[in-house]
Amino acid sequence: GAGVSQSPSNKVTEKGKDVELRCDPISGHTALYWYRQSLGQGLEFLIYFQGNSAPDKSGLPSDRFSAERTGGSVSTLTIQRTQQEDSAVYLCASSRQVGDTQYFGPGTRLTVL
Amino acid sequence: EDQVTQSPEALRLQEGESSSLNCSYTVSGLRGLFWYRQDPGKGPEFLFTLYSAGEEKEKERLKATLTKKESFLHITAPKPEDSATYLCAVQMSPNDYKLSFGAGTTVTVRA
Repeated sequence: GAGVSQSPSNKVTEKGKDVELRCDPISGHTALYWYRQSLGQGLEFLIYFQGNSAPDKSGLPSDRFSAERTGGSVSTLTIQRTQQEDSAVYLCASSRQVGDTQYFGPGTRLTVL
Repeated sequence: EDQVTQSPEALRLQEGESSSLNCSYTVSGLRGLFWYRQDPGKGPEFLFTLYSAGEEKEKERLKATLTKKESFLHITAPKPEDSATYLCAVQMSPNDYKLSFGAGTTVTVRA
């Protein structure tokens, strides 16, 4: 079956611009997670959604980062006023229920010039 | 402080040369430990989940084991296609569903 998909695969932007990254989870998965992978930092948690519950935003690095999940499916991660330190690969994962095995998408590579 | 540590950082093997990767963790109450494989430019690919000490899982040339303080990923008779970065991740408490990752072990298998 189809896995987690993310778009775009690559995004180059200028410092100060806003960007939106999209994630389509595996059909039927109720939990959705965002992570960031950067050189020297490894993979770090950003936020997760479970059904209609309030999201766990404890990993968001600043208030420039936000995410929403519409209709319990597709999610968008928004970074406002991008900075060079935001350059990283942003990974999305989904699981059948929160706490179950997480399956990752291919990621979006963000480069801030 | 809760943390996940993987060793070694890099491992170079000859084809057929078996070895083990280590993932040690210090957490207050482990909910689950996960192994992933990541190829360059791709997202992590799920390998195994382990929940309790003594548990073992196998898949082809890979075998994962878990104790109260660490997990091992054993690679038996590796092939060049086993070359990848292997990531260990934990859910650190019963109500904490995010994954906390180690830095990974990059395995290179030469033919």
